[in-house]
Amino acid sequence: DAKTTQPPSMDCAEGRAANLPCNHSTISGNEYVYWYRQIHSQGPQYIIHGLKNNETNEMASLIITEDRKSSTLILPHATLRDTAVYYCIVRVPDAGGTSYGKLTFGQGTILTVHP
Amino acid sequence: DAGVIQSPRHEVTEMGQEVTLRCKPISGHDYLFWYRQTMMRGLELLIYFNNNVPIDDSGMPEDRFSAKMPNASFSTLKIQPSEPRDSAVYFCASSPPWGNIQYFGAGTRLSVL
Repeated sequence: DAKTTQPPSMDCAEGRAANLPCNHSTISGNEYVYWYRQIHSQGPQYIIHGLKNNETNEMASLIITEDRKSSTLILPHATLRDTAVYYCIVRVPDAGGTSYGKLTFGQGTILTVHP
Repeated sequence: DAGVIQSPRHEVTEMGQEVTLRCKPISGHDYLFWYRQTMMRGLELLIYFNNNVPIDDSGMPEDRFSAKMPNASFSTLKIQPSEPRDSAVYFCASSPPWGNIQYFGAGTRLSVL
């Protein structure tokens, strides 16, 4: 799986959009970008994933650059409950092969949402 | 569904004792994963199962660790004998067939004194 680079920490004001960047310059053509977050003392929680098109769900939006070497997770209206560690992970999603299932977590970005 | 259920939530034991962590995956999920989280190493995959069969245990630190999945609704991670360096939060996760999303339990915080 390709490695990712994320800033160690970011701040955001409550109600504003939080834009979390991720660099994955060695991504392969069949690797997806996944985002998970971990709120203090809880298990990681899936947010969103995508291949090359921008994706949106009820939690967030994912913007992937055309060359797929970087992406941005957008929380449109951050709340205090969005304070967490956000992990950007790149991997092949399909079953089969030795790499399936291996979510390799880096250090992530600690997002702090301020009142 | 209640989600992935782990027990106990907290475990305090003395060095040398046997520790058993338990996990009930989400019904219908056929992949089950065990992770460990420490400040030093972050979140790391220990082992995962597909249809109750261990697929990859390369993350298991040493022979003191063992994991079993006797049926589709239950898995255990056992440490025998336990050591202080095993202190960590252990997470269990499950995912559906051909699913790309892993659902995590609340974790078991293990302290070995």
